[in-house]
Amino acid sequence: DAGVIQSPRHEVTEMGQEVTLRCKPISGHDYLFWYRQTMMRGLELLIYFNNNVPIDDSGMPEDRFSAKMPNASFSTLKIQPSEPRDSAVYFCASSHRGGRNTGELFFGEGSRLTVL
Amino acid sequence: QQPVQSPQAVILREGEDAVINCSSSKALYSVHWYRQKHGEAPVFLMILLKGGEQKGHDKISASFNEKKQQSSLYLTASQLSYSGTYFCGTDVNTGTASKLTFGTGTRLQVTL
Repeated sequence: DAGVIQSPRHEVTEMGQEVTLRCKPISGHDYLFWYRQTMMRGLELLIYFNNNVPIDDSGMPEDRFSAKMPNASFSTLKIQPSEPRDSAVYFCASSHRGGRNTGELFFGEGSRLTVL
Repeated sequence: QQPVQSPQAVILREGEDAVINCSSSKALYSVHWYRQKHGEAPVFLMILLKGGEQKGHDKISASFNEKKQQSSLYLTASQLSYSGTYFCGTDVNTGTASKLTFGTGTRLQVTL
């Protein structure tokens, strides 16, 4: 299996621009998570999906952030408009839940976003 | 709510042991442990389920005390390859579904 695939790996953009991050989860996984990692806040859960349906988006910072999962093999995280404080590494992860517990998370390599 | 990890950082000589602690203020379904090397993605080490069981992964093991809502990761006879940041992830029942929340991490450096 190819693992979780994220694109782009690096993105440098200017404040106010729209940013779209993409993720392809592992085939057969029914959960998809978007995390943001910064030195100050560590790994923050932004949103997660179950069978393409958003379950909890309480970690999304504000209305500038939105996420979609149109099908089982693709998800996007969009920031519009972007701000310098959005600079971070954004990780996508997928899992197959076993019962009530979150299963092992498989992380993509991350998308490093720099907003100037 | 984010679990609390301690210590924040630790430096070991190769062969020494270390313990990393993780505690939560909420009742847990399970605890995960991940290791992240610089510039890479976190990698799964192990999951501990309710029941206080202890699991092992090579010379790395962990325990989970569900009553105290705590978990500890034990690194025995550390190797250079153990260097990295260790995160615990706590699986908390939010009422509708559980979700994995990570601690701020413990930076481990193993030296010769």
